[in-house]
Amino acid sequence: AQRVTQPEKLLSVFKGAPVELKCNYSYSGSPELFWYVQYSRQRLQLLLRHISRESIKGFTADLNKGETSFHLKKPFAQEEDSAMYYCALRSNFGNEKLTFGTGTRLTIIP
Amino acid sequence: DVKVTQSSRYLVKRTGEKVFLECVQDMDHENMFWYRQDPGLGLRLIYFSYDVKMKEKGDIPEGYSVSREKKERFSLILESASTNQTSMYLCASSQGQGRYTFGSGTRLTVV
Repeated sequence: AQRVTQPEKLLSVFKGAPVELKCNYSYSGSPELFWYVQYSRQRLQLLLRHISRESIKGFTADLNKGETSFHLKKPFAQEEDSAMYYCALRSNFGNEKLTFGTGTRLTIIP
Repeated sequence: DVKVTQSSRYLVKRTGEKVFLECVQDMDHENMFWYRQDPGLGLRLIYFSYDVKMKEKGDIPEGYSVSREKKERFSLILESASTNQTSMYLCASSQGQGRYTFGSGTRLTVV
Protein backbone atom coordinates (compact mmCIF):
# COMPACT_ATOMS: atom_id res chain seq x y z
CA ALA A 1 0.00 0.00 0.00
CA GLN A 2 1.18 3.51 -0.71
CA ARG A 3 1.22 6.15 1.96
CA VAL A 4 2.20 9.82 2.23
CA THR A 5 3.08 11.39 5.56
CA GLN A 6 3.26 15.09 6.30
CA PRO A 7 4.30 15.30 9.93
CA GLU A 8 3.51 18.98 10.47
CA LYS A 9 -0.12 20.09 10.47
CA LEU A 10 0.87 23.71 11.07
CA LEU A 11 4.05 25.59 10.29
CA SER A 12 4.75 29.26 10.97
CA VAL A 13 7.76 31.01 9.48
CA PHE A 14 8.88 34.62 9.50
CA LYS A 15 8.98 36.49 6.23
CA GLY A 16 12.43 36.19 4.68
CA ALA A 17 13.29 33.03 6.59
CA PRO A 18 13.81 29.66 4.90
CA VAL A 19 10.87 27.29 4.57
CA GLU A 20 10.88 23.51 4.58
CA LEU A 21 7.70 21.45 4.40
CA LYS A 22 8.32 17.79 5.10
CA CYS A 23 6.93 14.88 3.14
CA ASN A 24 7.77 11.22 3.53
CA TYR A 25 6.32 8.35 1.58
CA SER A 26 6.12 4.59 1.61
CA TYR A 27 5.82 2.75 -1.66
CA SER A 28 7.49 -0.39 -2.91
CA GLY A 29 7.93 0.71 -6.51
CA SER A 30 9.26 3.83 -8.15
CA PRO A 31 6.81 6.63 -7.39
CA GLU A 32 6.15 10.03 -8.84
CA LEU A 33 5.84 12.79 -6.25
CA PHE A 34 3.97 16.08 -6.39
CA TRP A 35 3.24 19.15 -4.32
CA TYR A 36 -0.21 20.73 -4.56
CA VAL A 37 -1.14 24.06 -2.96
CA GLN A 38 -4.40 25.70 -1.94
CA TYR A 39 -4.35 29.44 -1.33
CA SER A 40 -7.14 31.06 0.62
CA ARG A 41 -10.44 30.96 -1.33
CA GLN A 42 -8.76 29.35 -4.32
CA ARG A 43 -8.83 25.90 -5.85
CA LEU A 44 -6.27 23.27 -5.11
CA GLN A 45 -3.61 23.49 -7.80
CA LEU A 46 -0.44 21.75 -8.84
CA LEU A 47 2.72 23.46 -7.58
CA LEU A 48 5.45 21.16 -8.84
CA ARG A 49 6.36 17.62 -9.86
CA HIS A 50 9.58 15.86 -9.01
CA ILE A 51 9.93 14.50 -12.52
CA SER A 52 10.18 17.97 -14.07
CA ARG A 53 12.85 19.13 -11.59
CA GLU A 54 11.59 22.69 -11.83
CA SER A 55 11.41 25.64 -9.46
CA ILE A 56 7.99 27.22 -9.13
CA LYS A 57 7.46 30.47 -7.19
CA GLY A 58 10.92 29.92 -5.71
CA PHE A 59 10.02 26.47 -4.36
CA THR A 60 12.03 23.34 -5.09
CA ALA A 61 11.69 19.73 -4.00
CA ASP A 62 14.13 16.88 -4.44
CA LEU A 63 13.13 13.25 -4.37
CA ASN A 64 15.38 11.36 -1.97
CA LYS A 65 14.74 7.68 -2.54
CA GLY A 66 17.11 6.61 0.23
CA GLU A 67 15.16 8.57 2.83
CA THR A 68 11.84 8.20 0.96
CA SER A 69 11.32 11.94 1.24
CA PHE A 70 10.19 14.80 -0.97
CA HIS A 71 10.56 17.90 1.15
CA LEU A 72 9.46 21.28 -0.26
CA LYS A 73 11.92 24.13 0.24
CA LYS A 74 12.16 27.84 -0.35
CA PRO A 75 15.13 29.95 0.76
CA PHE A 76 13.21 33.14 1.58
CA ALA A 77 9.55 32.99 2.58
CA GLN A 78 7.10 35.57 1.26
CA GLU A 79 3.73 36.49 2.71
CA GLU A 80 1.93 35.19 -0.36
CA ASP A 81 3.29 31.70 0.39
CA SER A 82 0.75 31.31 3.19
CA ALA A 83 -1.44 28.41 2.09
CA MET A 84 -2.28 24.76 2.60
CA TYR A 85 0.27 22.42 1.03
CA TYR A 86 -0.33 18.78 0.13
CA CYS A 87 2.23 16.23 -0.90
CA ALA A 88 0.97 13.51 -3.25
CA LEU A 89 2.22 10.25 -4.74
CA ARG A 90 1.38 8.51 -8.00
CA SER A 91 2.28 4.89 -8.51
CA ASN A 92 4.15 3.69 -11.58
CA PHE A 93 1.42 1.23 -12.51
CA GLY A 94 -0.12 3.49 -15.11
CA ASN A 95 -3.32 4.68 -13.49
CA GLU A 96 -3.78 8.30 -12.60
CA LYS A 97 -4.69 7.87 -8.96
CA LEU A 98 -2.95 10.21 -6.52
CA THR A 99 -2.54 9.48 -2.82
CA PHE A 100 -2.39 12.68 -0.80
CA GLY A 101 -0.90 13.45 2.58
CA THR A 102 -2.82 15.15 5.36
CA GLY A 103 -1.49 18.59 4.46
CA THR A 104 0.52 21.33 6.16
CA ARG A 105 -0.86 24.79 6.72
CA LEU A 106 1.95 27.28 6.22
CA THR A 107 1.64 30.74 7.75
CA ILE A 108 4.17 33.42 6.94
CA ILE A 109 4.54 35.94 9.75
CA PRO A 110 5.15 39.49 8.46
CA ASP B 1 -7.54 26.78 -19.61
CA VAL B 2 -9.17 23.60 -18.33
CA LYS B 3 -12.14 24.15 -16.12
CA VAL B 4 -13.74 21.76 -13.71
CA THR B 5 -17.13 22.94 -12.56
CA GLN B 6 -18.96 21.63 -9.54
CA SER B 7 -22.63 22.47 -9.67
CA SER B 8 -23.10 23.53 -6.04
CA ARG B 9 -20.79 25.44 -3.73
CA TYR B 10 -22.84 24.73 -0.60
CA LEU B 11 -25.45 22.06 0.09
CA VAL B 12 -27.47 21.25 3.19
CA LYS B 13 -29.26 17.91 3.21
CA ARG B 14 -31.15 15.84 5.75
CA THR B 15 -30.05 12.48 7.06
CA GLY B 16 -31.31 9.69 4.81
CA GLU B 17 -31.70 11.83 1.70
CA LYS B 18 -30.21 10.76 -1.61
CA VAL B 19 -27.68 13.39 -2.67
CA PHE B 20 -26.21 14.05 -6.10
CA LEU B 21 -23.00 16.03 -6.56
CA GLU B 22 -22.27 16.96 -10.15
CA CYS B 23 -18.96 17.69 -11.81
CA VAL B 24 -18.30 18.74 -15.39
CA GLN B 25 -14.99 19.29 -17.15
CA ASP B 26 -14.68 21.19 -20.41
CA MET B 27 -11.57 19.50 -21.78
CA ASP B 28 -11.32 16.02 -23.19
CA HIS B 29 -9.90 14.40 -20.04
CA GLU B 30 -10.39 10.69 -19.64
CA ASN B 31 -9.69 10.57 -15.91
CA MET B 32 -11.98 12.06 -13.29
CA PHE B 33 -11.93 11.78 -9.51
CA TRP B 34 -13.93 12.47 -6.39
CA TYR B 35 -12.13 13.23 -3.14
CA ARG B 36 -13.33 14.39 0.21
CA GLN B 37 -11.26 16.92 2.11
CA ASP B 38 -11.37 16.93 5.90
CA PRO B 39 -9.17 18.88 8.35
CA GLY B 40 -6.39 16.68 9.66
CA LEU B 41 -7.23 13.90 7.22
CA GLY B 42 -6.22 15.55 3.96
CA LEU B 43 -7.73 14.39 0.69
CA ARG B 44 -9.13 10.89 0.53
CA LEU B 45 -10.14 9.28 -2.74
CA ILE B 46 -13.73 8.10 -2.95
CA TYR B 47 -14.02 6.93 -6.56
CA PHE B 48 -12.35 7.56 -9.87
CA SER B 49 -13.14 6.92 -13.50
CA TYR B 50 -10.74 6.44 -16.38
CA ASP B 51 -13.34 6.25 -19.14
CA VAL B 52 -17.05 6.56 -19.80
CA LYS B 53 -19.00 3.97 -17.79
CA MET B 54 -15.76 2.81 -16.13
CA LYS B 55 -15.22 3.36 -12.43
CA GLU B 56 -12.99 2.15 -9.67
CA LYS B 57 -13.28 2.37 -5.93
CA GLY B 58 -10.89 4.56 -4.10
CA ASP B 59 -9.91 4.35 -0.46
CA ILE B 60 -13.27 5.26 1.12
CA PRO B 61 -16.10 4.21 -1.23
CA GLU B 62 -18.55 3.03 1.44
CA GLY B 63 -21.82 4.93 1.30
CA TYR B 64 -21.06 6.42 -2.11
CA SER B 65 -21.59 5.52 -5.74
CA VAL B 66 -20.72 7.26 -8.99
CA SER B 67 -21.98 7.65 -12.52
CA ARG B 68 -20.12 8.52 -15.69
CA GLU B 69 -22.47 8.38 -18.63
CA LYS B 70 -20.66 11.05 -20.63
CA LYS B 71 -16.98 11.81 -20.78
CA GLU B 72 -17.34 15.34 -19.43
CA ARG B 73 -19.57 14.55 -16.46
CA PHE B 74 -18.82 12.60 -13.29
CA SER B 75 -21.48 12.40 -10.62
CA LEU B 76 -21.08 11.40 -6.98
CA ILE B 77 -24.11 9.91 -5.29
CA LEU B 78 -24.69 9.57 -1.57
CA GLU B 79 -27.30 6.83 -1.42
CA SER B 80 -28.54 7.72 2.06
CA ALA B 81 -26.76 10.73 3.50
CA SER B 82 -25.41 10.50 7.03
CA THR B 83 -23.90 13.11 9.32
CA ASN B 84 -20.43 11.58 8.96
CA GLN B 85 -20.57 12.48 5.28
CA THR B 86 -20.52 16.17 6.14
CA SER B 87 -17.40 17.33 4.33
CA MET B 88 -15.86 19.30 1.48
CA TYR B 89 -16.07 17.29 -1.75
CA LEU B 90 -13.55 17.96 -4.49
CA CYS B 91 -13.83 16.83 -8.08
CA ALA B 92 -10.77 16.69 -10.33
CA SER B 93 -9.88 15.71 -13.85
CA SER B 94 -6.50 14.75 -15.18
CA GLN B 95 -4.68 15.19 -18.43
CA GLY B 96 -2.16 12.60 -17.32
CA GLN B 97 1.11 12.37 -15.42
CA GLY B 98 -0.52 13.29 -12.14
CA ARG B 99 -1.50 16.77 -13.27
CA TYR B 100 -4.92 17.29 -11.78
CA THR B 101 -7.26 20.21 -12.28
CA PHE B 102 -9.61 20.62 -9.35
CA GLY B 103 -13.04 22.11 -9.04
CA SER B 104 -13.86 24.72 -6.43
CA GLY B 105 -15.47 22.15 -4.16
CA THR B 106 -18.91 21.47 -2.70
CA ARG B 107 -19.30 21.89 1.02
CA LEU B 108 -21.97 19.42 2.07
CA THR B 109 -23.61 19.56 5.45
CA VAL B 110 -25.86 16.68 6.49
CA VAL B 111 -28.20 17.50 9.35
